[in-house]
Amino acid sequence: RKEVEQDPGPFNVPEGATVAFNCTYSNSASQSFFWYRQDCRKEPKLLMSVYSSGNEDGRFTAQLNRASQYISLLIRDSKLSDSATYLCVVKGGNFNKFYFGSGTKLNVKP
Amino acid sequence: GAVVSQHPSWVICKSGTSVKIECRSLDFQATTMFWYRQFPKQSLMLMATSNEGSKATYEQGVEKDKFLINHASLTLSTLTVTSAHPEDSSFYICSARDLRQGAGEQYFGPGTRLTVT
Repeated sequence: RKEVEQDPGPFNVPEGATVAFNCTYSNSASQSFFWYRQDCRKEPKLLMSVYSSGNEDGRFTAQLNRASQYISLLIRDSKLSDSATYLCVVKGGNFNKFYFGSGTKLNVKP
Repeated sequence: GAVVSQHPSWVICKSGTSVKIECRSLDFQATTMFWYRQFPKQSLMLMATSNEGSKATYEQGVEKDKFLINHASLTLSTLTVTSAHPEDSSFYICSARDLRQGAGEQYFGPGTRLTVT
């Protein structure tokens, strides 16, 4: 079983839509959680950390459910510039490594 | 945020040659750097963890004699792909952890696209 699993998508949504991604992780001892954004042929960039209490940054809201071992990312009022692949990243395990999901591709269309 | 650079950004080499990729943390010190590889439409796969002043820790299935890692200073790690083959063609990305920042998020270099002909 993979450490981190995501729906690869693609999610095709119109501008202004609200879209949500989920990600599940297998190791209950995982300590830190992040969402990264990766544009085509570019390196991943940190979008936001995910805290136990949930956190919001503008149009982006991240939530963590430790009991069910999943994290989510909600994007409101989608913009064309939000089109990218969103990577779920979990830190933890025996060696405190970072584990990446395969990414969820989002296409925001006019 | 913290800045990580990589050089070169892309390289084309002939089969059998070796290629060195540099990863630098520009405005912070990184005792630990990570090397990833990403094939098209796949996620990043951790190859090795590079620790300053000590031997790198390789992930299972990654040949340490083929992918030589040197982390000689707190701001520089290098990955050398020895005797490259076409199947080594990939996007190689390094990252560094800035321990000054909370949970120690990773900051990624811009990546090096390697094509072996």
